[in-house]
Amino acid sequence: DIVMTQSPDSLAVSLGERATINCKSSQTVLYSSNSKNYLAWYQQKPGQPPKLLIYWASTRESGVPARFRGSGSGTDFTLTISSLQAEDVAVYYCQQYYNTPRTFGQGTKVEIK
Amino acid sequence: QVQLVQSGAEVKKPGASVKVSCQVSGYTLTELSMHWVRQAPGKGLEWMGGFHPPDGETIYAQKFHGRVTMTEDTSIETAYMELSSLRSEDTAVYYCSTAIGRAATNPMDVWGQGTTVTVSS
Repeated sequence: DIVMTQSPDSLAVSLGERATINCKSSQTVLYSSNSKNYLAWYQQKPGQPPKLLIYWASTRESGVPARFRGSGSGTDFTLTISSLQAEDVAVYYCQQYYNTPRTFGQGTKVEIK
Repeated sequence: QVQLVQSGAEVKKPGASVKVSCQVSGYTLTELSMHWVRQAPGKGLEWMGGFHPPDGETIYAQKFHGRVTMTEDTSIETAYMELSSLRSEDTAVYYCSTAIGRAATNPMDVWGQGTTVTVSS
């Protein structure tokens, strides 16, 4: 199984400041034949299902604000929230869909400082 | 636009089985790859199984092999996840989630509202 490890487990950021979440996979999730990274980022607020933010490592889902940016390739990925808003308080998960099982990171809790 | 509506909360005794449904609208089941994910209280997300295009079939996470069955009734556009031999550790919110298409591997982009399953004697 591909192990997904996120860092940090939690972070507190001031409103308007940048939040950075890292995700590392135990093996590559880059499919060489199409040059796509099979990596997604989800946001989950309390009592709600996860919401897809980013897929193919860097493609924003329709309707997701531009302050959310995904980057990285191979085994190392980053989700950046450029200017944290109050509504961004949530737990964020990375997930690989390169292979089964489609493993998730352990989650990163983002709070306001 | 896909919408997923799941069945209501369940309370089960240890050793029993539970069957959770997920009704699809906006697309047909055969146009989607259905997955099931669970989340224990205060814990992270755990993929249980789903349709895997490279294999053309539903694949289950090894952890649930022999206890989980995922089926589809295309006549009523409803998917089901049945988990047997329940134990207290199976207490969780169970989500269905879909990826578009069955020919290629795509991200899970739509989620049901979740079904709470409580296992208690």
